[in-house]
Amino acid sequence: GAVVSQHPSWVICKSGTSVKIECRSLDFQATTMFWYRQFPKQSLMLMATSNEGSKATYEQGVEKDKFLINHASLTLSTLTVTSAHPEDSSFYICSAPDRGPDTQYFGPGTRLTVL
Amino acid sequence: GQNIDQPTEMTATEGAIVQINCTYQTSGFNGLFWYQQHAGEAPTFLSYNVLDGLEEKGRFSSFLSRSKGYSYLLLKELQMKDSASYLCAGNSGYSTLTFGKGTMLLVSP
Repeated sequence: GAVVSQHPSWVICKSGTSVKIECRSLDFQATTMFWYRQFPKQSLMLMATSNEGSKATYEQGVEKDKFLINHASLTLSTLTVTSAHPEDSSFYICSAPDRGPDTQYFGPGTRLTVL
Repeated sequence: GQNIDQPTEMTATEGAIVQINCTYQTSGFNGLFWYQQHAGEAPTFLSYNVLDGLEEKGRFSSFLSRSKGYSYLLLKELQMKDSASYLCAGNSGYSTLTFGKGTMLLVSP
């Protein structure tokens, strides 16, 4: 079946630094990818919708200048957390639909810890 | 919008049957998903209902009533490995998912 990968699986960084997370669709093309954030014992919260070749659409309350999204190809979207702070520590998950809304595949997630 | 509500926690014993309910506001709704998520891992797809009724897939079944804004996930012959969080999610637009807070299911021997 379709596979979505994320890199890195986990990252620890110092406060004030920037971190880039990659999301790749390995055997299908994804014109749209989604980025979610999940805090401990909470559900997934949609952060933004990444569209290949155009600007991402951010959910209300998500700072677009802090969470930079680039979807430069049909198989790769990146999320850059700029000037990360401890409150940005979370589990970041991407997903991509394949043939339709009922075939959405999730990446394995990236655990970000900001010290 | 789609406020999605589901119980926070449930417990059951191995071999039993458990039903996890999910209610939602019906406006802007296309279909309803159920996902399973183990701690520290990404969600895995269980089911997707667009039409009213029950859909069965092995030990797992999912039911939807669009007019009532109600769905449930039925797990039969529970196994220890079924201990996980079960997420109800509605989709609006193309593949945009809104998740409930998840139901943590604990299966005991």
